[in-house]
Amino acid sequence: NAGVTQTPKFRVLKTGQSMTLLCAQDMNHEYMYWYRQDPGMGLRLIHYSVGEGTTAKGEVPDGYNVSRLKKQNFLLGLESAAPSQTSVYFCASSARDALNSPLHFGNGTRLTVT
Amino acid sequence: EDQVTQSPEALRLQEGESSSLNCSYTVSGLRGLFWYRQDPGKGPEFLFTLYSAGEEKEKERLKATLTKKESFLHITAPKPEDSATYLCAVRDSWGKLQFGAGTQVVVTP
Repeated sequence: NAGVTQTPKFRVLKTGQSMTLLCAQDMNHEYMYWYRQDPGMGLRLIHYSVGEGTTAKGEVPDGYNVSRLKKQNFLLGLESAAPSQTSVYFCASSARDALNSPLHFGNGTRLTVT
Repeated sequence: EDQVTQSPEALRLQEGESSSLNCSYTVSGLRGLFWYRQDPGKGPEFLFTLYSAGEEKEKERLKATLTKKESFLHITAPKPEDSATYLCAVRDSWGKLQFGAGTQVVVTP
């Protein structure tokens, strides 16, 4: 059972560079999410998707874009990386009944922007 | 504004020394309180969901309880393998999920 898989696990970028983080889930979940986790702060929602072809902004969306072309994949893009985007990024998914379903998380991508 | 506060930030326990973690919240219309465990370098792993005051859930040495303003995660006779960061999250009536910053627990032999 792979669950939620994130690639890459680590990445170092220079300011202004771009990159895409990939998230794949094999649980046939409708909902997918991207969070960032910073020291001393709770997980903060960047963007989310309630189904294939749909995306919506979360709490901290600026500087990020997402796409959900296939139900099992959710991509997070950084067009022009900034040092403030240094963080650990987690993808998560949940079943259709999102209000009552727990989130299933991947193991994260540690991104450093210099 | 919704807030989720966890205390203490860090907790160091001897093996077998029981203790409790606190998650206090202010949210408009609680739709669920979730507890997660997070190991270093890993994503959070779901433990419990609580929906109403008075509800309790148990799993091995962990027991979660819920009141109208806070939740406790009791760790009974902890073992070193219980060392982790424990996160709580609350979902409000709008469906918004908000996480606390977590409590880092270290259990020494």
